[in-house]
Amino acid sequence: QKEVEQNSGPLSVPEGAIASLNCTYSDRGSQSFFWYRQYSGKSPELIMSIYSNGDKEDGRFTAQLNKASQYVSLLIRDSQPSDSATYLCAVISSNDYKLSFGAGTTVTVRA
Amino acid sequence: GAVVSQHPSRVICKSGTSVKIECRSLDFQATTMFWYRQFPKKSLMLMATSNEGSKATYEQGVEKDKFLINHASLTLSTLTVTSAHPEDSSFYICSAKDRAGLNSPLHFGNGTRLTVT
Repeated sequence: QKEVEQNSGPLSVPEGAIASLNCTYSDRGSQSFFWYRQYSGKSPELIMSIYSNGDKEDGRFTAQLNKASQYVSLLIRDSQPSDSATYLCAVISSNDYKLSFGAGTTVTVRA
Repeated sequence: GAVVSQHPSRVICKSGTSVKIECRSLDFQATTMFWYRQFPKKSLMLMATSNEGSKATYEQGVEKDKFLINHASLTLSTLTVTSAHPEDSSFYICSAKDRAGLNSPLHFGNGTRLTVT
């Protein structure tokens, strides 16, 4: 089982819609979770971090964490074409504190 | 936010030569930096952890003699790909944490796209 799993997509949504991205992780002791955005040919950019169960909102982004289900998600509201990118879920291991990445979900926002 | 600068952004070299990639933390001190590699349409794979003033820690399967890491100061880590071969062609990205704390997020440099001909 991979440490961090994401649907690879591609996820295509119309402009203005909500994009929903999901991520599951295997390390039950993990406490820190991040979402990165990576444009093609560029390096990842941190967009959200979440440490506690529940929702965390930042602008058009909402991260949701459920540690019991080992599940973290990202919602992008009012999707814009500029949101088209690959979104990487990342989890810090409770064992060695290294950051592990999922394979990423590619999102395409149609104008 | 924290800024990590990486240079060069793109390099093309001939097989058998060595390439040095620099990673600098511009507005903070980083005792630890991390080097990742990413193949096309794949996720990031941690290669090694660079520790200021001591030897780097390499992930399983990463050849330490091929990927030389030096972290001589709190703001600079370098990765040297020695005797590069076409299979080393990849996107190399360094990262660092801008604050202490094992659970702090990583901030990434802009990456170096290495092409070995």
